[in-house]
Amino acid sequence: EAGVAQSPRYKIIEKRQSVAFWCNPISGHATLYWYQQILGQGPKLLIQFQNNGVVDDSQLPKDRFSAERLKGVDSTLKIQPAKLEDSAVYLCASSLVPGGGNTIYFGEGSWLTVV
Amino acid sequence: GEDVEQSLFLSVREGDSSVINCTYTDSSSTYLYWYKQEPGAGLQLLTYIFSNMDMKQDQRLTVLLNKKDKHLSLRIADTQTGDSAIYFCAESMDSNSGYALNFGKGTSLLVTP
Repeated sequence: EAGVAQSPRYKIIEKRQSVAFWCNPISGHATLYWYQQILGQGPKLLIQFQNNGVVDDSQLPKDRFSAERLKGVDSTLKIQPAKLEDSAVYLCASSLVPGGGNTIYFGEGSWLTVV
Repeated sequence: GEDVEQSLFLSVREGDSSVINCTYTDSSSTYLYWYKQEPGAGLQLLTYIFSNMDMKQDQRLTVLLNKKDKHLSLRIADTQTGDSAIYFCAESMDSNSGYALNFGKGTSLLVTP
């Protein structure tokens, strides 16, 4: 079974520029998550989708971050304009519709450095 | 979400047992998880425990849950150098239709020969 795919793996941009990350979840997984992991910290949930609808985006900085999952499969996370504090690993994860032991699988992450 | 607390660093000798501790604060958490992260890699699910269980064993891994004290621990028996990594404790956060995870800051485990 293929895992969660993310691209690009690494990105360096200047502050005030924009960047987009792409995620392809495991086939059949209805729930998709974007997490932000700053160096030395645990991952923090940014947004959660169920199919193509948003379940929770309460921690997404909406003035600069946006995310979409138009057809209920792939998802894109965009940052515009980027700030220095956005330097982090952006982790995409997916899971089946919840029920008993809902396992969440993570991709390898997209590493962003803002200079 | 509520804070999940972990000690930041643990060093053990190869062959010894490692015990990583975690304290969570949301008593409504249904599942509690342990993830492993190696340098430059994503998060790998090690094991999870349902909140109505006290203990779960899976090969070298033993998870203990004290729901009264909101304390979770991960014991790794016969620790190997390949176990060196960051270990994250996480609690589930129930939402309308999905179980997002609330993570601790991670415990760096260093296994020395």
